[in-house]
Amino acid sequence: QKEVEQNSGPLSVPEGAIASLNCTYSDRGSQSFFWYRQYSGKSPELIMFIYSNGDKEDGRFTAQLNKASQYVSLLIRDSQPSDSATYLCALRNTGFQKLVFGTGTRLLVSP
Amino acid sequence: GAVVSQHPSRVICKSGTSVKIECRSLDFQATTMFWYRQFPKQSLMLMATSNEGSKATYEQGVEKDKFLINHASLTLSTLTVTSAHPEDSSFYICSAPVGPSRDEQFFGPGTRLTVL
Repeated sequence: QKEVEQNSGPLSVPEGAIASLNCTYSDRGSQSFFWYRQYSGKSPELIMFIYSNGDKEDGRFTAQLNKASQYVSLLIRDSQPSDSATYLCALRNTGFQKLVFGTGTRLLVSP
Repeated sequence: GAVVSQHPSRVICKSGTSVKIECRSLDFQATTMFWYRQFPKQSLMLMATSNEGSKATYEQGVEKDKFLINHASLTLSTLTVTSAHPEDSSFYICSAPVGPSRDEQFFGPGTRLTVL
């Protein structure tokens, strides 16, 4: 079982809709969770991080964490074509600085 | 936000040559930096953790004699791909942890290496 699992997609949503991206993880010791966005040919850019159970909102983005069920999700409201990218879920375990990445979900937002 | 730069952004070399990639933290000090490799349509794979003033820590399966890492100062880490071969062609990206708890990682823009 992979440490971080994501559906590779593509996830297709129309412009203005809510895009929901999901990620599950296997290590219950994971403490910090991150969502990165990566455009084709570019390096990842940090969107959000979340440490505690529940929701965390930042603009059009909401990260949701459920440690009991071992999943973390990212909601993108009012999706725009410019949101079309690959979204990488990553986690960090206590005591380690390195991140473990999922394979990413490709999001396509159609005008 | 924090800025991490990489140089060069793109390099094409002949098989058998060595290529050096620089990673710099521009507005903060980084005692630790990370080097990743990403093949087309695949996720990032951590190659090694670069530590200022000490040896790098390599992930399992990464040849330390082939991928030389030097963390010369608090703002500079270099990755040298020695005796490069076509299978080393990839997107190499560095990152550095920032913030009070060093929890957030910011990535450099990446270096596209093509070995002919």
